[in-house]
Amino acid sequence: RKEVEQDPGPFNVPEGATVAFNCTYSNSASQSFFWYRQDCRKEPKLLMSVYSSGNEDGRFTAQLNRASQYISLLIRDSKLSDSATYLCVPLARSGGYNKLIFGAGTRLAVHP
Amino acid sequence: EAGVAQSPRYKIIEKRQSVAFWCNPISGHATLYWYQQILGQGPKLLIQFQNNGVVDDSQLPKDRFSAERLKGVDSTLKIQPAKLEDSAVYLCASSRAVQETQYFGPGTRLLVL
Repeated sequence: RKEVEQDPGPFNVPEGATVAFNCTYSNSASQSFFWYRQDCRKEPKLLMSVYSSGNEDGRFTAQLNRASQYISLLIRDSKLSDSATYLCVPLARSGGYNKLIFGAGTRLAVHP
Repeated sequence: EAGVAQSPRYKIIEKRQSVAFWCNPISGHATLYWYQQILGQGPKLLIQFQNNGVVDDSQLPKDRFSAERLKGVDSTLKIQPAKLEDSAVYLCASSRAVQETQYFGPGTRLLVL
């Protein structure tokens, strides 16, 4: 089983739509979680941190279900500029050190 | 504030050749990371430095990959000899401390022919 599993998509949605991405992780000891955004041929950039049950930042809402080892990202009122790949990233402890474990990402395409 | 700088941005080499990548982290960031991102996958950590010491290199293929951060600032990642499967984007990231937000550089896109 992969450490982080995400639906690769692509999710094709019209502007203004609400879209949700899911992510499952295998390391039950993970305490912190992040969503990174990666534009085509660019570096990943931090979108949101999730430390407790969830976090909200404007149009973006992340929810965490530790019992099910599941994280979601909800984007409301999608904009063309939201088109990107969204990477689910738990912070896992391995070999005595904490490190980010990146999922392969979910691709979002927002069209007019 | 200047971001993480990397060079070169692109590199094409033939298999069995050597290649080196350079990274200059954000000023004051003690922790530096090298990631490998193969097309269609998420970044995979190769090595993590805390100042000039290695914290985690468990996923670095040490038979061909090496990295150093001699003065605790800039870092270089070397591949010798390169294989076709090393074709990827090599991302450098830095953070003020181990558990803090990582900021990524633009990456070096390597193609091994």
